Amino acid sequence: DAKTTQPTSMDCAEGRAANLPCNHSTISGNEYVYWYRQIHSQGPQYIIHGLKNNETNEMASLIITEDRKSSTLILPHATLRDTAVYYCIVRVAVYTGNQFYFGTGTSLTVIP
Amino acid sequence: EPEVTQTPSHQVTQMGQEVILRCVPISNHLYFYWYRQILGQKVEFLVSFYNNEISEKSEIFDDQFSVERPDGSNFTLKIRSTKLEDSAMYFCASNYHQETQYFGPGTRLLVL
Repeated sequence: DAKTTQPTSMDCAEGRAANLPCNHSTISGNEYVYWYRQIHSQGPQYIIHGLKNNETNEMASLIITEDRKSSTLILPHATLRDTAVYYCIVRVAVYTGNQFYFGTGTSLTVIP
Repeated sequence: EPEVTQTPSHQVTQMGQEVILRCVPISNHLYFYWYRQILGQKVEFLVSFYNNEISEKSEIFDDQFSVERPDGSNFTLKIRSTKLEDSAMYFCASNYHQETQYFGPGTRLLVL
């Protein structure tokens, strides 16, 4: 089962930063936080992941609280193409692989 | 940039028929996965595969399902006798080790 809680939906004005929150209060010390997104019914697309420190790549920034119980994905300048469902996932790692358990995610709509 | 590919993109079949969904994972990856997404629902883990054997499977992955890596490049999901409720998007994913999974574009299966 998904170990995260996200708002069902959010709107963001085009060109503005989109801040998507996620709660993962039961996260274990060796579990990473991953963010994926899904545009329409396409395959989930990897965005970013982190363990403790804040992370940034060409797509987004990930801010993880010091207690690791929550995180925020930041899309710095949202475009219409960022309209998608965003999934925050805590990775459950097992020896021979790692299943990803997807929740219902946050449906982000970028408004012109 | 390497990608996971899947064929066919769409498959329509009659109830009770066998279907094989094909995936070509990223070439140096070692772990392979199948997920499915029923229309309007969450992405659900089906099975993971490593070193030519199933490493983990969900309760969805019953005796009607099987996976195979018949050669060095393909990874297949077979449904022996399809049911109406097998209609869904099926996503293949792969990774090198216990980190980011990369998803294919999916196969839309419709069982009539």
